[in-house]
Amino acid sequence: SAVISQKPSRDICQRGTSLTIQCQVDSQVTMMFWYRQQPGQSLTLIATANQGSEATYESGFVIDKFPISRPNLTFSTLTVSNMSPEDSSIYLCSVEDLLAGEGTQYFGPGTRLLVL
Amino acid sequence: AQKVTQAQTEISVVEKEDVTLDCVYETRDTTYYLFWYKQPPSGELVFLIRRNSFDEQNEISGRYSWNFQKSTSSFNFTITASQVVDSAVYFCALSVSRDNYGQNFVFGPGTRLSVLP
Repeated sequence: SAVISQKPSRDICQRGTSLTIQCQVDSQVTMMFWYRQQPGQSLTLIATANQGSEATYESGFVIDKFPISRPNLTFSTLTVSNMSPEDSSIYLCSVEDLLAGEGTQYFGPGTRLLVL
Repeated sequence: AQKVTQAQTEISVVEKEDVTLDCVYETRDTTYYLFWYKQPPSGELVFLIRRNSFDEQNEISGRYSWNFQKSTSSFNFTITASQVVDSAVYFCALSVSRDNYGQNFVFGPGTRLSVLP
């Protein structure tokens, strides 16, 4: 399966600031995704990171708040902008691993964000 | 719209007991995929199984087994002879293709399993 790493693994930030999270995959993948997992909750898809074009956002998430880059087939970034305490969550990137079967997603270790 | 329900919020069992985690899904698509993931206290999501909608065969992997029944839209997960290391949050998920791009991947709310020694 694809090996996914994320940086940073955790961070504590002040409200009003921005944080960029990096996701690196050890192989080229077509589909990359960003999720949010609020404390004690399930995962919610933020957006699909498209290589060479703008990300596709889910309802309730906007580009101004969560800009995403996908410069190539192995790397993506998610920025959490103008943070507030409500943004405190785990942010996870995932990739679709076709070798494991269509639709199968493998997840990175996550970035634990605390906003004060 | 797709939806996944895991009615059991929390389950506690004693080691060596068998436990079944329920998952009920909703979709109008005829082609879809079902998944189970494990999230131990460390937080990382671990892929356990994928099942497509055309394959209703039950699957067994060691102490884990899955029962897929389209008639009841259920995809239940059983752990036999549970162990303390099985303590985690377990998520059931549903994936369907989107018209324009990729997959619509929906997670259930999760079931927290505690296995007591």
